[in-house]
Amino acid sequence: EDQVTQSPEALRLQEGESSSLNCSYTVSGLRGLFWYRQDPGKGPEFLFTLYSAGEEKEKERLKATLTKKESFLHITAPKPEDSATYLCAVQARQYSSASKIIFGSGTRLSIRP
Amino acid sequence: EPEVTQTPSHQVTQMGQEVILRCVPISNHLYFYWYRQILGQKVEFLVSFYNNEISEKSEIFDDQFSVERPDGSNFTLKIRSTKLEDSAMYFCASSEGPGPNEQYFGPGTRLTVT
Repeated sequence: EDQVTQSPEALRLQEGESSSLNCSYTVSGLRGLFWYRQDPGKGPEFLFTLYSAGEEKEKERLKATLTKKESFLHITAPKPEDSATYLCAVQARQYSSASKIIFGSGTRLSIRP
Repeated sequence: EPEVTQTPSHQVTQMGQEVILRCVPISNHLYFYWYRQILGQKVEFLVSFYNNEISEKSEIFDDQFSVERPDGSNFTLKIRSTKLEDSAMYFCASSEGPGPNEQYFGPGTRLTVT
């Protein structure tokens, strides 16, 4: 069964303190791995897509990496506005035209000024 | 920047009533989805839709649920007879192509069943 596990559940950092969020996945053939940001009461906001092991993507203070079993979201010198829940999701190779994505439970990130 | 929109933002209904949640996907997108998130839980897939038919559905999407694209811009989710356990945030999403195209999500409709 396709599965996504994220750790830690919650992470509190001081402003400027870099860290990493982990996403481990089990999927029957990876089509794509996605990172989303979700603010309270809002919809997931797309951040990155990673397709194959070794790939890296960057956006401002965020950098996402991918191995065959895990993805990491590295946050460098975070600011309070980076506080949110970060969701990892995978899409498996399937034959339907519009394939679902499977989400993890998320990491709730809090940055203290 | 194009975005997915959803109405209403909050819907309160009584158990057993029918509700229709509405979505306007991004205009050049061809693939449409509904997900839900019960408070404090994961975002869960409900159904995907392409070329005017359901492409894939989850076990949650039983006979009480239906989807429709009534015109060229709207995409709707109908729940025929709501239950208490249907209370959740419902998110519409759309993508330009099939996987691994990224899916863009709307702001959600909070459904409260009393």
